[in-house]
Amino acid sequence: DTEVTQTPKHLVMGMTNKKSLKCEQHMGHRAMYWYKQKAKKPPELMFVYSYEKLSINESVPSRFSPECPNSSLLNLHLHALQPEDSALYLCASSRPLAGEVRTDTQYFGPGTRLTVL
Amino acid sequence: QQPVQSPQAVILREGEDAVINCSSSKALYSVHWYRQKHGEAPIFLMILLKGGEQKGHDKISASFNEKKQQSSLYLTASQLSYSGTYFCGTEAAGNQFYFGTGTSLTVIP
Repeated sequence: DTEVTQTPKHLVMGMTNKKSLKCEQHMGHRAMYWYKQKAKKPPELMFVYSYEKLSINESVPSRFSPECPNSSLLNLHLHALQPEDSALYLCASSRPLAGEVRTDTQYFGPGTRLTVL
Repeated sequence: QQPVQSPQAVILREGEDAVINCSSSKALYSVHWYRQKHGEAPIFLMILLKGGEQKGHDKISASFNEKKQQSSLYLTASQLSYSGTYFCGTEAAGNQFYFGTGTSLTVIP
């Protein structure tokens, strides 16, 4: 099973709402990632979890709050977002290379298309 | 810090070859290549971990020049299914991973 699932597929929210994005993988990967992708742009790394611990936070505003409850699950909690946060949010997972916190092949989920009104 | 890809866009006829380049200003540990079709998630193509390493499968191959901090993706005898946006992903010190600027490839009959 090389699948990463993300829910929901689409999300529309107001600036005062609180919502969460969910990502799940059952490949035994111990590194999980959140990316943000705007139209016609490359994905931008937001957060990296390695062995359920936050290892990278690319200066993401606090209105985005990641959570990794277990090795298979990754959440992104959203609160007080701005219209410019509208984008495709991609989750990915990978097997950390032996002995190092580096990336191996990243498997991407289909993404959640977020619209902030 | 974001790697720069060239060309930005290329249009090919079926059967033609293409080369996509990826250049970084930082020393790299690895280079990944992904293809993304419109509205879909990026799909992994290959990863190169050592300088000078070349990899390939089917008619798509890549090379990694560690000294020049560059990688190239080679597509030979292109097929319609090759259309999409190609991204390199580079990994540097401090676990930094960045996708390149992207190259839009369109294959026409």
